[in-house]
Amino acid sequence: KAGVTQTPRYLIKTRGQQVTLSCSPISGHRSVSWYQQTPGQGLQFLFEYFSETQRNKGNFPGRFSGRQFSNSRSEMNVSTLELGDSALYLCASMRTGVGTEAFFGQGTRLTVV
Amino acid sequence: GENVEQHPSTLSVQEGDSAVIKCTYSDSASNYFPWYKQELGKRPQLIIDIRSNVGEKKDQRIAVTLNKTAKHFSLHITETQPEDSAVYFCAASRNSGNTPLVFGKGTRLSVIA
Repeated sequence: KAGVTQTPRYLIKTRGQQVTLSCSPISGHRSVSWYQQTPGQGLQFLFEYFSETQRNKGNFPGRFSGRQFSNSRSEMNVSTLELGDSALYLCASMRTGVGTEAFFGQGTRLTVV
Repeated sequence: GENVEQHPSTLSVQEGDSAVIKCTYSDSASNYFPWYKQELGKRPQLIIDIRSNVGEKKDQRIAVTLNKTAKHFSLHITETQPEDSAVYFCAASRNSGNTPLVFGKGTRLSVIA
């Protein structure tokens, strides 16, 4: 079966701009979580969506937001980009949520200049 | 919320030796503990997980132990091979509900041939 697909793979944006990242989970999976990966900080949890509802939210500023559509595809948006937002953004697809295996996408590498 | 500490941050071992990575968690209600391996430039992938109803689980050369009283769990890799070189992440969560999967900051394992 198809894996988790994230688009785009790479992005370069300027400070102050906004960006939207997309994640298509594995068919049948209803939970999508987003993580920010930076060197030395590991995988920091951004938020989780389940059946179009945000179920959990990490400790990130309000500039980071997301949503999930009826087909379980999810998007995350970062507004007013800062240099520190440069990171690999990973989404994870789970059948029902925590307690089940998380399947990761390849990630979107965001560079803010 | 849950907090996961992981040590060491880097680990070098000779091929054939064993490697041990340790994690502690803060939420006594956590009961699902997966380990993910991320090779360079690739997505994290689940290698083994353990639930709180068992103290140890093995899969060929890898094993995970869990001490719920002390709130720590460990990954053991025996007879290490160069292809074991990667970043390993531990994580913890409750089995379901409104808590996310929280990761440690990762351990970069280098197996020297």
